[in-house]
Amino acid sequence: TQLLEQSPQFLSIQEGENLTVYCNSSSVFSSLQWYRQEPGEGPVLLVTVVTGGEVKKLKRLTFQFGDARKDSSLHITAAQPGDTGLYLCAGAENNAGNMLTFGGGTRLMVKP
Amino acid sequence: DTGVSQNPRHKITKRGQNVTFRCDPISEHNRLYWYRQTLGQGPEFLTYFQNEAQLEKSRLLSDRFSAERPKGSFSTLEIQRTEQGDSAMYLCASSPTAGDTGELFFGEGSRLTVL
Repeated sequence: TQLLEQSPQFLSIQEGENLTVYCNSSSVFSSLQWYRQEPGEGPVLLVTVVTGGEVKKLKRLTFQFGDARKDSSLHITAAQPGDTGLYLCAGAENNAGNMLTFGGGTRLMVKP
Repeated sequence: DTGVSQNPRHKITKRGQNVTFRCDPISEHNRLYWYRQTLGQGPEFLTYFQNEAQLEKSRLLSDRFSAERPKGSFSTLEIQRTEQGDSAMYLCASSPTAGDTGELFFGEGSRLTVL
């Protein structure tokens, strides 16, 4: 089983600050996804990155896939209280993406 | 279609009892997945169906866990002789095959508490 490690596990910041969440593995993934999960709900997809070195932006969120496709990062600019939640990275074990391996998650709290 | 539906949302049971969870996927989705999520952790893959065929079941946690998808639509996950360590959120997800982007669409989960 391929493992994904996320850091930090917990992050508490003030509104307006920037933050970066990291997702690392010793294994290569065909693609990597980032999900956000709120209490009592299932994870919801934010982005999928496929190509090594790829950078995708989603409003204030910037996602990067490492050149070797072993790691990824999520950067949030000017965090808002609505960004509070559990951020999960998930690696696809094959090109069909049918079995995802999830990281342990980063729990983010943004205080007003 | 409003998305993946799971029930019951909450189940409290005594150790040793059997429990069954149901998942209704998005209607046009061929693939259906079960994950387990314990508090403060990411989801852990359990099993996966394409239509009615269970293509991966080696990661079910023990022989007390079984899943079915008899008609390729809804699925059930059964846990026999529950133990306190089975307490967790059981998540179901579905995805289409055609034009597959790899995205999983998750339900809200079924939370199991074993006393």
